Amino acid sequence: EAGVAQSPRYKIIEKRQSVAFWCNPISGHATLYWYQQILGQGPKLLIQFQNNGVVDDSQLPKDRFSAERLKGVDSTLKIQPAKLEDSAVYLCASSEMDIQTYEQYFGPGTRLTVT
Amino acid sequence: AQSVSQHNHHVILSEAASLELGCNYSYGGTVNLFWYVQYPGQHLQLLLKYFSGDPLVKGIKGFEAEFIKSKFSFNLRKPSVQWSDTAEYFCAVKGSARQLTFGSGTQLTVLP
Repeated sequence: EAGVAQSPRYKIIEKRQSVAFWCNPISGHATLYWYQQILGQGPKLLIQFQNNGVVDDSQLPKDRFSAERLKGVDSTLKIQPAKLEDSAVYLCASSEMDIQTYEQYFGPGTRLTVT
Repeated sequence: AQSVSQHNHHVILSEAASLELGCNYSYGGTVNLFWYVQYPGQHLQLLLKYFSGDPLVKGIKGFEAEFIKSKFSFNLRKPSVQWSDTAEYFCAVKGSARQLTFGSGTQLTVLP
């Protein structure tokens, strides 16, 4: 079974520039998550999709971050404009719709450095 | 709001030593609890989980965790660690919210 795919793996940008990350979840997984993991901290949920609808985006800084999941499969996360404090690893995860099992499968992440 | 505390930031052990990593959560209702592991250069992966029933949960690679409701704890244990257990370990909790809240992680280094 193919895992969660993410690209790019690494990205370096200057502050005020924009950047986009892409995620392809495990086939058949209805739920998709984007996490931000700052160095020395655990992952923090940014946004959760169920199919192509947003379930939870309470921790997404909406003035600069946006995400979409068209057609309920792939997803993109965008930052515009980036700030120094956005330097982090951005993780994508997916799970089946069955909330009881709730096992999330994580991708390799995109390491973003903002200079 | 739910929160998770992992008090040990870095643990260094010799092979064959016993391991216990602490995890305490803050949430008054029913919780689901998880331990995730990230081996060097690999993805986060599920080690074990607790939903209900027997509070002693067994996971992969000889790990186990015990849910103690009265102490709001879900400590991870392994009787004898191996060099290959070197990794970062994250405790996570899901309360009534549909999201997982992760602790800050514990880096385990096992010396050969």
